[in-house]
Amino acid sequence: GENVEQHPSTLSVQEGDSAVIKCTYSDSASNYFPWYKQELGKRPQLIIDIRSNVGEKKDQRIAVTLNKTAKHFSLHITETQPEDSAVYFCAASNGTASKLTFGTGTRLQVTL
Amino acid sequence: EAGVTQFPSHSVIEKGQTVTLRCDPISGHDNLYWYRRVMGKEIKFLLHFVKESKQDESGMPNNRFLAERTGGTYSTLKVQPAELEDSGVYFCASSQEEVDGYTFGSGTRLTVV
Repeated sequence: GENVEQHPSTLSVQEGDSAVIKCTYSDSASNYFPWYKQELGKRPQLIIDIRSNVGEKKDQRIAVTLNKTAKHFSLHITETQPEDSAVYFCAASNGTASKLTFGTGTRLQVTL
Repeated sequence: EAGVTQFPSHSVIEKGQTVTLRCDPISGHDNLYWYRRVMGKEIKFLLHFVKESKQDESGMPNNRFLAERTGGTYSTLKVQPAELEDSGVYFCASSQEEVDGYTFGSGTRLTVV
């Protein structure tokens, strides 16, 4: 089955700096890669996703890149703000509406 | 539009007792999923309903866990009897057919003591 590894487990950046979280996956059949943000005590929320026919996708300060050959994908947050502090999860799946395999999460702390 | 609703938000039970978690998906969402996050680890898949049918239950840990979705609306997840290792946050999520991207509920934090 699919295995998703996520690094780093914790990340501390100063406000205004960029943050990068990296994930690798094992199943070459995976074709959908969402990222979820979970603030303390709240539900995981989808912040951006990418399909395997696209190499990069951007939404304001958030971008995701995908390297199918190397089987890795990354989340990039620019101009970080304190409200970006949360746990971020990457995930992978191999079909529409199929189960997601999650990484172990990255706790991002944006300091003033 | 109401989101995915889970009840209860917290539950503390003793080892050996029974607990039933409930999930109300977004109206019209045929896909309903259960996931679990044990402290500090990844969010792990438990099972997937399409309407009232179990599409994939490969993540169910053992036969102490029973999930149902009668009528294809809300779902329940029963743990009987509960063990210490069942502690964690149980998330429910739903999605429309043939559409990527789940909407998660806020989770039920289950503590077995």
